[in-house]
Amino acid sequence: GENVEQHPSTLSVQEGDSAVIKCTYSDSASNYFPWYKQELGKRPQLIIDIRSNVGEKKDQRIAVTLNKTAKHFSLHITETQPEDSAVYFCAAPSGGYQKVTFGTGTKLQVIP
Amino acid sequence: DTAVSQTPKYLVTQMGNDKSIKCEQNLGHDTMYWYKQDSKKFLKIMFSYNNKELIINETVPNRFSPKSPDKAHLNLHINSLELGDSAVYFCASSHGGGDEKLFFGSGTQLSVL
Repeated sequence: GENVEQHPSTLSVQEGDSAVIKCTYSDSASNYFPWYKQELGKRPQLIIDIRSNVGEKKDQRIAVTLNKTAKHFSLHITETQPEDSAVYFCAAPSGGYQKVTFGTGTKLQVIP
Repeated sequence: DTAVSQTPKYLVTQMGNDKSIKCEQNLGHDTMYWYKQDSKKFLKIMFSYNNKELIINETVPNRFSPKSPDKAHLNLHINSLELGDSAVYFCASSHGGGDEKLFFGSGTQLSVL
């Protein structure tokens, strides 16, 4: 089955700095790589995703890059703001795409 | 209108009791899931249903029994609750399979005393 590893587990940055979170996956058949943000006490919500036919995708201050050869993908947040503080999860499908395996999460703290 | 709604939001109960959590989605999605989030925030899939059919049962104890009366509903019944069942349970849905965006419910915080 799919194994998704995520690093770092915690990350503190100063407001305005960039943050990078990395994930590796094991199933070479995976073709969809989403990132979810979970604020304290709330549900996870998709913030950006990328499919395997694309190497990079940007949406304002967030971007995701994918390296299919190395089986890793990363979330980049630029010009961080206090409201970016949350737990971020990467994920990848497996099991004939009926299953989504999540990474272990990264707690991001943006210090004002 | 809430896209994926689950009830109750909080559930506090004694060990050994039986409890149910209900989930409904109004997005017309074919696939629904139950995820368990433990105190370390790990999100672990428990079950996946596609059009009322069980697709994934991720080695969950058989005290947990999901039921999907139709593709818009996926309920979770838990028998003989144990301390280790304390967690937040999230229902989710997607249009197709796991290669699509997941929409999560607001979660049910289960506390077993």
